[in-house]
This record gives sequence, C-alpha cells and structure tokens, in this order.
Amino acid sequence: DAGVTQSPTHLIKTRGQQVTLRCSPKSGHDTVSWYQQALGQGPQFIFQYYEEEERQRGNFPDRFSGHQFPNYSSELNVNALLLGDSALYLCASFPGGFYNEQFFGPGTRLTVL
Amino acid sequence: AQTVTQSQPEMSVQEAETVTLSCTYDTSESDYYLFWYKQPPSRQMILVIRQEAYKQQNATENRFSVNFQKAAKSFSLKISDSQLGDAAMYFCAYFESNYQLIWGAGTKLIIKP
Repeated sequence: DAGVTQSPTHLIKTRGQQVTLRCSPKSGHDTVSWYQQALGQGPQFIFQYYEEEERQRGNFPDRFSGHQFPNYSSELNVNALLLGDSALYLCASFPGGFYNEQFFGPGTRLTVL
Repeated sequence: AQTVTQSQPEMSVQEAETVTLSCTYDTSESDYYLFWYKQPPSRQMILVIRQEAYKQQNATENRFSVNFQKAAKSFSLKISDSQLGDAAMYFCAYFESNYQLIWGAGTKLIIKP
C-alpha cells in the first residue's frame, strides 16, 4: 500500500502564474482534503472533496480550486499566484463520508518568486 | 468559530525524561475529536494519538498519553521516556461536523541527548 502520494515534491513559480498540484489517496479512501501550511504555522483547511464534489471550503479565495476524479485522486489549482501562496500544501485522505482518521501525504513545497 | 491554541512555541527535554505539551481549544459543540499530530523534518504529518470527546477515559498509545479536560477545554500530550526520534513539531488539532481539521500553531520539541 503506497499511502497518500503527492506530486510534485517541490515547485517554483513566479507571481501571476498558475499551478496544479496532485494527490493520490491511500487505497480504499474516497475523501480528500487539502491544507495550506505556511512556514512556522499550523495547516489551514482549503477544501475537501467527496464523491467528486467540493463538500466544504475554508476561508480561501476563488483563485484556489480543485477537482476530484472518479478514481478519487485530486488536483489543487491555484491561479494568479501571489508571494503569499508560498507554502507547503498537504493532502489528506480518509475512507467514508464523514469522520475517519486522516492520512497525510508528504506535501508539495510551493515557492512563488 | 472554533480555535486551537498551543501556548508553547518550543519545548526541550532530556532524553528518557517526560515532557508535557499543552493545548486548549474553544468550541460550543459537545461531540468532536481531538488529535495530536507529529511533523518531523520529512514534513509528513503522523497521527500520534486521538481522543473522542464523549469518552471520559484519557487515550494512551505506548509512551504517549493525553490529559483531556472537557470542561476546561484542555488537551495536553504527555510523552514519557523521551527518545531522540520524538524530536519534531507537534500539532494539536480539532475536528467536528464541518469536515475540517482546525490546527494549533505547533510546538517544536527538542530532545537533548
């Protein structure tokens, strides 16, 4: 079992560009959450996908969007990148529709120059 | 809104000694979950221990135990027989019916050999 995987590991972009981050959930998991973790801070919830729909969203602008595919993998898209978007982006998955232990991937480190 | 507060940015402990990390939270809900996660330099979030609010008994996982005081909204983590591998950032997190984990700012734990 590969666990939760994320790609790429690191990414460098410039302001105004767009970026797509990818997440493959742990086998048997159908729910994916995305978190943004700025340096030295705790993660902040971006949104959660369940049954290919965005089920809940945190306090992030519309520049942040996502998608979940039929195989439960997920993408996080960020448009018009700002310097403040530089962070570690974490993906977590769990089985079932409500609560269960969330398993985290290693994250994608995004640097915006 | 629910909040999680970790008042200790950094803690240090001698190897083999015991250390307690503090966490307080604010909620009006009666049914929720609380977690301690560990984030080593590898960045991957690892679940250390969890507590269901409806359970009065404090959770224990080997050398890790919690002191859950529901009325005081306090959830501290005790690490016994500290080991060098315990060195990491420790995050307290809260979860209830709105699907998202709410995180504290973290405590950096340093183990002195």
